[in-house]
Order: sequence, then C-alpha cells, then structure tokens
Amino acid sequence: AQKVTQAQTEISVVEKEDVTLDCVYETRDTTYYLFWYKQPPSGELVFLIRRNSFDEQNEISGRYSWNFQKSTSSFNFTITASQVVDSAVYFCALSEHNNAGNMLTFGGGTRLMVKP
Amino acid sequence: DAGVIQSPRHEVTEMGQEVTLRCKPISGHDYLFWYRQTMMRGLELLIYFNNNVPIDDSGMPEDRFSAKMPNASFSTLKIQPSEPRDSAVYFCASSLLQGSTDTQYFGPGTRLTVL
Repeated sequence: AQKVTQAQTEISVVEKEDVTLDCVYETRDTTYYLFWYKQPPSGELVFLIRRNSFDEQNEISGRYSWNFQKSTSSFNFTITASQVVDSAVYFCALSEHNNAGNMLTFGGGTRLMVKP
Repeated sequence: DAGVIQSPRHEVTEMGQEVTLRCKPISGHDYLFWYRQTMMRGLELLIYFNNNVPIDDSGMPEDRFSAKMPNASFSTLKIQPSEPRDSAVYFCASSLLQGSTDTQYFGPGTRLTVL
C-alpha cells in the first residue's frame, strides 16, 4: 500500500527566511507520480507541481524549488525568501497508476506560518 | 477557463436532514473525484468516476452517502440522513488522463455543518 508522510505538522518562520517542507513516500510501484498542493487560509486546494518517478531532476519555479530523491523516497519542497502570502497548509501526494485510473494518497499536510 | 465549480459553498443543516452537494467538473475532463477533509482524518477519497461511471466507492463511509454523475458536466454527493459527524469540507476534483497520468484540479469546497 502507498503511504505519504509529512513529519512536520507545523512550521513557523519569519519573512525572508528559507524553509523546507519534507515529504517521504512509500510505494511498491516503479511508475508513480508525486504532487504538491497548497491550501491557503481561504480553503481551496491549489496544484503546485507534478513529478514522475523517472525524472529526478530538481525543479525550480520562482521562489519555489523541489528536490526529488528516489534513493531516500523523498520529495521535499523549499520556499526561498518566504513571504507572508506563503502561509498555508501544504500537502504532498502520491499517485500510482492502475487500470482504473490514478488515485491520490495525501500526506497529513504541513502548516506553514510566515510571520512579518 | 472555468475551474471546478461546487455549490453551495457553505451548508448548515440539522441532523436528519438530507444534504445534496453539487459539482461541475472542468470541461473535457474524464475523471471526477469526491473528497472529504476533517481535522481528525485529513483528506479522504470518498468515490471517483471515470466517464460518468463510478469506479471505486470504497471510501464512502456508509449507506447514508451516495453519489451520482448523470452526465459529464455534473455530479452530486448526497447524505441522507445527515449526522453531526458528517460535518467537514467536501471537495470535488476533476482530471484528464493523458498517457499514464493526470493532475487533479480541486473545486473551492463545500463546508458542511450538521447541527
């Protein structure tokens, strides 16, 4: 069975600090996909990124970067120079493909609070 | 392009009443998912559809819950009768399978309070 663990339930930083959100996953499949979603205080779930298991290149998008390491089954998310607007709950998720489609397994989420 | 649309955004009802939540997926998407989010259990997948056909409803908590997708642009999640423990945020998501993967896009959610 697949599992996603986000050990950090809550992180508090001061604006402009860098912060890394950890995500560790378990799966028996060789083909799988990893996701990050953001849930701001307004409540909606916003898609941030998708990576497949064959692509271990790190990804950077503005102040956001993601580090995928198959050797440690981790897919960590770093926010550089954090801002108050980054305050949200961030979810890591894992998808395995089967004949019926892709089902997401979510981690428990990390609540990030960025203080001014 | 319009995203996933859910209605109502907030629903307050009394125990025993029937509740119907509605979802309009993104046009052209072939998968539709219903999730429930609570503090205690996090995000739980309740049921999902492919091309309007229910594929897996193993997450539906009990017979009080039912979901339908009569066409590609509309789905409902019904709770009858509702109970206070059903209070949660219910999300609908849709996706388009391309090759072997898809990305689920979520609606804004319906916050349900059962008194």
